[in-house]
Amino acid sequence: QVQLQESGPGLVKPSQTLSLTCTVSNASVSSGPYYWSWIRQPAGEGLEWIGRIYHSGDTNYNPSLISRLTISLDTSNNLFSLRLTSVTATDTAIYYCARESWSSAYFLDSWGQGTLVTVSS
Amino acid sequence: DIQMTQSPPSLSASAGERVTITCRASENVHKYLNWYQQKPGKAPKALIFAASSLEGGVPSRFSGTGSGTDFTLTIASLQPEDFATYYCQQSYSVPWTFGQGTKVEVK
Repeated sequence: QVQLQESGPGLVKPSQTLSLTCTVSNASVSSGPYYWSWIRQPAGEGLEWIGRIYHSGDTNYNPSLISRLTISLDTSNNLFSLRLTSVTATDTAIYYCARESWSSAYFLDSWGQGTLVTVSS
Repeated sequence: DIQMTQSPPSLSASAGERVTITCRASENVHKYLNWYQQKPGKAPKALIFAASSLEGGVPSRFSGTGSGTDFTLTIASLQPEDFATYYCQQSYSVPWTFGQGTKVEVK
């Protein structure tokens, strides 16, 4: 069964860049038909979809973040990454990576455990 | 973006009760509607996809119905492990969007 694990700094200063990686086990990020996604959740709040990348490298981003966001694949290390520039306190959240599958609908069928990122000086 | 509205925001119920959560989309999402369960400190877990299909390993007491703009998640007989927050999510149009969640608490 696929496993996903987020990693990256837990603290980022305002105006700097947030960088996270998601290491995937028991599945290949370079093989279809899956998308690889990022979702975030501020403490005590709901879920916000950040964006996704296909095995081909095609991406879809949330328009609210598109000017600051890059999602990329590293097929050599079987992982995918998130890069969010110019962060502010509103970017403080638990960040989840997930696999998105198609079965009559796209849905997020496997999730990482999440990693808390705090934006603070 | 498509707005997803869940009701109620929270509910109190006892084990064995039937529980129904509704989700309304701001526009037609056809059957591209998914449900997730999230327990405190844990990642969400997929329960239902494509409005009514049960994800593997999910107990049959969970069911989903609906199409278009109105959807329902039903728990036929609430079990102690079902106390959690439930989210709907549309996957018809990017950006995917989630409902604000419904917290199911012990009565």
